[in-house]
Amino acid sequence: GDSVTQMEGPVTLSEEAFLTINCTYTATGYPSLFWYVQYPGEGLQLLLKATKADDKGSNKGFEATYRKETTSFHLEKGSVQVSDSAVYFCALSASNTGNQFYFGTGTSLTVIP
Amino acid sequence: EAQVTQNPRYLITVTGKKLTVTCSQNMNHEYMSWYRQDPGLGLRQIYYSMNVEVTDKGDVPEGYKVSRKEKRNFPLILESPSPNQTSLYFCASRRDSYNEQFFGPGTRLTVL
Repeated sequence: GDSVTQMEGPVTLSEEAFLTINCTYTATGYPSLFWYVQYPGEGLQLLLKATKADDKGSNKGFEATYRKETTSFHLEKGSVQVSDSAVYFCALSASNTGNQFYFGTGTSLTVIP
Repeated sequence: EAQVTQNPRYLITVTGKKLTVTCSQNMNHEYMSWYRQDPGLGLRQIYYSMNVEVTDKGDVPEGYKVSRKEKRNFPLILESPSPNQTSLYFCASRRDSYNEQFFGPGTRLTVL
């Protein structure tokens, strides 16, 4: 079945470091891919998305490219800030399975000054 | 403002006492879902609905019920809560199966 595998955490980085959080997926058909962010005590917010192969989603300095050949959607940011400390979830929506929406287990990021 | 609202935000109850968590969206979305979030397990889908009067089980439906009598509302019902249902619950909605989900702020439930 469809699934998302996400890099285990927690991840601790110094401010201005480069961030990569790996995400790979398994899906039949042509899924849409998403990154969500959850700040402490809050709900999930969409960070970025890509709906077809080779699309690049970007927002707030974060980027991810939909790679069909490697079934990946890695999240990157060139220079993290303390305010980026949160839990990041990779997710997949496969339109041929109704409203099923598959999440990775989440990666906790802490950025220290 | 486009949003998904849930109530209550926090609830402490006892085993066996029926409860309902309400969820409402103002975006005219067709699809709505309920998730629970537990440490180390991520988010797991409980139930979803693709339209009024159309609901289906997600990955962990046991012990829960839902209804979708109106497009905007999708309440989650625990008829006989048990301690293993202590969790953080999220309601979500989206326009269609291709697009992103919008999440509510969460309901933290404790069953004693």
